[in-house]
Amino acid sequence: GAGVSQSPSNKVTEKGKDVELRCDPISGHTALYWYRQRLGQGLEFLIYFQGNSAPDKSGLPSDRFSAERTGESVSTLTIQRTQQEDSAVYLCASSDYGPYNEQFFGPGTRLTVL
Amino acid sequence: AQSVTQLGSHVSVSEGALVLLRCNYSSSVPPYLFWYVQYPNQGLQLLLKYTTGATLVKGINGFEAEFKKSETSFHLTKPSAHMSDAAEYFCAVSDSGGSNYKLTFGKGTLLTVNP
Repeated sequence: GAGVSQSPSNKVTEKGKDVELRCDPISGHTALYWYRQRLGQGLEFLIYFQGNSAPDKSGLPSDRFSAERTGESVSTLTIQRTQQEDSAVYLCASSDYGPYNEQFFGPGTRLTVL
Repeated sequence: AQSVTQLGSHVSVSEGALVLLRCNYSSSVPPYLFWYVQYPNQGLQLLLKYTTGATLVKGINGFEAEFKKSETSFHLTKPSAHMSDAAEYFCAVSDSGGSNYKLTFGKGTLLTVNP
């Protein structure tokens, strides 16, 4: 079956521009997560959705970052007024609801801010 | 706050040799522990996990890990490395309480397998 997909796979943008990153989770997965992976670093948790609600946004670095999820399916991560330090790979994952259900990861979107 | 330390950002072994990737964690509550593998240009894939019960857990591709509470460790091993094991490996922890969905990752260990 289809896994988690993300688009675009690569995005190059200029400093100050807004970008939108898309995640299509595995069908039926109620939980969705966004992580950021900077070069040489581990993954940083950004936000968690249960259904269309985001009970935990604690990892969003600043108010330039926002995310939404619709139809308990697709999610969009938006970064406004991008900065060079936003350059990273942004990973999306989805899982069934539950305390230790496996999170299935997408291939990521590599964002480069010039 | 939780944290994960992976000792060695790069490990190189010969084909057929033992693979040992080290992971230590800190957590204020009993943790859930995970190892993920990332092949080039692919998403992370779960290798194995520890939640409760037996402390030695077996995963895919011949890997296993042992949860040692006294040492706060969850090292990953494989008796005999294969060329196809070359990838980046991430250790992760989540707590067993209300934030059990949130994974905290180590910085990763790049495994190279030499012929």
